[in-house]
Amino acid sequence: AQSVTQLDSQVPVFEEAPVELRCNYSSSVSVYLFWYVQYPNQGLQLLLKYLSGSTLVKGINGFEAEFNKSQTSFHLRKPSVHISDTAEYFCAPVDDYKLSFGAGTTVTVRA
Amino acid sequence: DAMVIQNPRYQVTQFGKPVTLSCSQTLNHNVMYWYQQKSSQAPKLLFHYYDKDFNNEADTPDNFQSRRPNTSFCFLDIRSPGLGDAAMYLCATSRLGQGGEAFFGQGTRLTVV
Repeated sequence: AQSVTQLDSQVPVFEEAPVELRCNYSSSVSVYLFWYVQYPNQGLQLLLKYLSGSTLVKGINGFEAEFNKSQTSFHLRKPSVHISDTAEYFCAPVDDYKLSFGAGTTVTVRA
Repeated sequence: DAMVIQNPRYQVTQFGKPVTLSCSQTLNHNVMYWYQQKSSQAPKLLFHYYDKDFNNEADTPDNFQSRRPNTSFCFLDIRSPGLGDAAMYLCATSRLGQGGEAFFGQGTRLTVV
């Protein structure tokens, strides 16, 4: 069974500053990896995904993530955040077609 | 256009009174999931359907049941809601073989009074 660890529960950041959200997964099989964003009282929206190929994955809203197999990591980054990026972010590996979510990272962007 | 639709968005039910949450999809995906998300926590998978095959997670209480009468619809039945069942319930769909990407509905926030 897979498990996933999001190393930061809360990340406060100033507007236009860069942000990195860390995710480590454990698995002995090939993985598909996802990052989802959840705005207050909303469902989850896919930010980006890694299935295979290039380890640098670009997603929506200027986010990108790098798959690192040797470190079993899939960290999410954005070079310059906006107020509207304030949300909860979930890292989610897929195992046997089921998503298992990390505990989430709350990003709060301040002016 | 909404692809995974959950109704209602907000549901208030009485302690012990059965309640049903609904989910429909226009994606023709073969897998449908129900997740429970409590405040400030990650979504927790309750069960899923792969076509008509029902798959219950080992720690899902018997109080939670599901029905999938056809490809498009899936229901979550809570037979006797307790105060601890108050949560956001998320429905999601995916198509096996497309990398497992799941599409989520907006969720139903359940309040138990």
